[in-house]
Amino acid sequence: GAGVSQSPSNKVTEKGKDVELRCDPISGHTALYWYRQRLGQGLEFLIYFQGNSAPDKSGLPSDRFSAERTGESVSTLTIQRTQQEDSAVYLCASSLSRGAEQYFGPGTRLTVT
Amino acid sequence: EDQVTQSPEALRLQEGESSSLNCSYTVSGLRGLFWYRQDPGKGPEFLFTLYSAGEEKEKERLKATLTKKESFLHITAPKPEDSATYLCAVQANFDKLVFGAGTILRVKS
Repeated sequence: GAGVSQSPSNKVTEKGKDVELRCDPISGHTALYWYRQRLGQGLEFLIYFQGNSAPDKSGLPSDRFSAERTGESVSTLTIQRTQQEDSAVYLCASSLSRGAEQYFGPGTRLTVT
Repeated sequence: EDQVTQSPEALRLQEGESSSLNCSYTVSGLRGLFWYRQDPGKGPEFLFTLYSAGEEKEKERLKATLTKKESFLHITAPKPEDSATYLCAVQANFDKLVFGAGTILRVKS
């Protein structure tokens, strides 16, 4: 079946602009996660959605970052007033249920100039 | 705070030269330890989940083991196609994963 998809694959934006990153999870997966991977570093948790529960936003680095999820479907990560330190690969993952293995998309490479 | 440390940072092997990657962790109540493989420009690919000390899992040339403080990923007779970054992550609360920085493996023929 289809895996996790993300769009765009690459995004170059100017400092101060807003960006939206999209994630389509595997069909039937109730849990969805966003991570950030800076060059040469491990993945950093951002936010987690599980079904209709309130999302776990504990990893969001500032109030410029927000995310939404429509039911158990698509999610959008929004970064407002982008800064150069926001440059990274943003990875989305989904899992069949809470605690199950997470399957990752290919990521969106964000470059802030 | 949950922490994961992977060593070495980079490892170069000759084809057929077996070795092990280390993942040391501190976590308040381990629910699962995960190994992923990541190729350049791609998202991590799931390999294994280990849940309790003493557990072992195998897949082709890879075997993952778990103790109360660390996990090892053993690579037997590696091939060039095993070249990748190997990521270790722990899960404490059935939700987010805490990742190590990874080990970059290069296998030369």
